[in-house]
Amino acid sequence: GNSVTQMEGPVTLSEEAFLTINCTYTATGYPSLFWYVQYPGEGLQLLLKATKADDKGSNKGFEATYRKETTSFHLEKGSVQVSDSAVYFCALSSGIYGGSQGNLIFGKGTKLSVKP
Amino acid sequence: NAGVTQTPKFQVLKTGQSMTLQCAQDMNHEYMSWYRQDPGMGLRLIHYSVGAGITDQGEVPNGYNVSRSTTEDFPLRLLSAAPSQTSVYFCASSPLPPEKLFFGSGTQLSVL
Repeated sequence: GNSVTQMEGPVTLSEEAFLTINCTYTATGYPSLFWYVQYPGEGLQLLLKATKADDKGSNKGFEATYRKETTSFHLEKGSVQVSDSAVYFCALSSGIYGGSQGNLIFGKGTKLSVKP
Repeated sequence: NAGVTQTPKFQVLKTGQSMTLQCAQDMNHEYMSWYRQDPGMGLRLIHYSVGAGITDQGEVPNGYNVSRSTTEDFPLRLLSAAPSQTSVYFCASSPLPPEKLFFGSGTQLSVL
C-alpha cells in the first residue's frame, strides 16, 4: 500500500543554517506530494505541494522537488529562522479519488527546533 | 473567517464514558475527516466523509462513530472511552479531491 517515510527528529539547527528534511514514498500510480507544517498548539497547514514528477513546490522560502526516480520529496530551506520551529509532515495522495485512495497519507512528522 | 471549529479543546473522561467531539466548517467543503495524533505515530485517519449522508472508515475506526447530516458538521462519537483513545484529535475539511486540508486547532482527550 501507499506509505510515506520521513527522517526521524528532532532536528536542532542554529538560525540561518541550511535545512533538509528527507521524505521518501511508496505509491502506485502518480501521487501528489505535500508538506504540511504544525506550529505549537495549532492544527496542520499546507506548506507546499507538487502534483507531478520534476515539479518544484515552494512557499515561505521552503522548497521541495518531486523526484520520481528516487521516490523522494525532500524539504529544504536555505536559511532557517526561529519562527520556523515546528513539526513538518510529508504526505501523499494517490490522486485517484474514490474510496480510501483519495485520502492523504501522512508521515510521522519531523520536529524542527531553531536556536537563536 | 472561522474556518474549522473544534470543541472542546480539552476533555478528560473516565473509562467507559461516552462523548462527542464537535467539528464545524463554514467553507462549504464537501470533504471532512477526523485524525488522531499520537507521539511517534503521526496522523492516522479515523473516519471521513465526502458529503452529507456519506461516511466511510479510515485507518483506525474502531471505537468511533461519525455522521454527516449537514455539509457543515461532522461530529465524532466515542461510544465507550478507553485509555488507548487518549490522544489529540483533529478535524479537517477540504474541497474535493482532499489535498489542501484545513485543520481545526485540535482536541486533547485524556481517558483515565
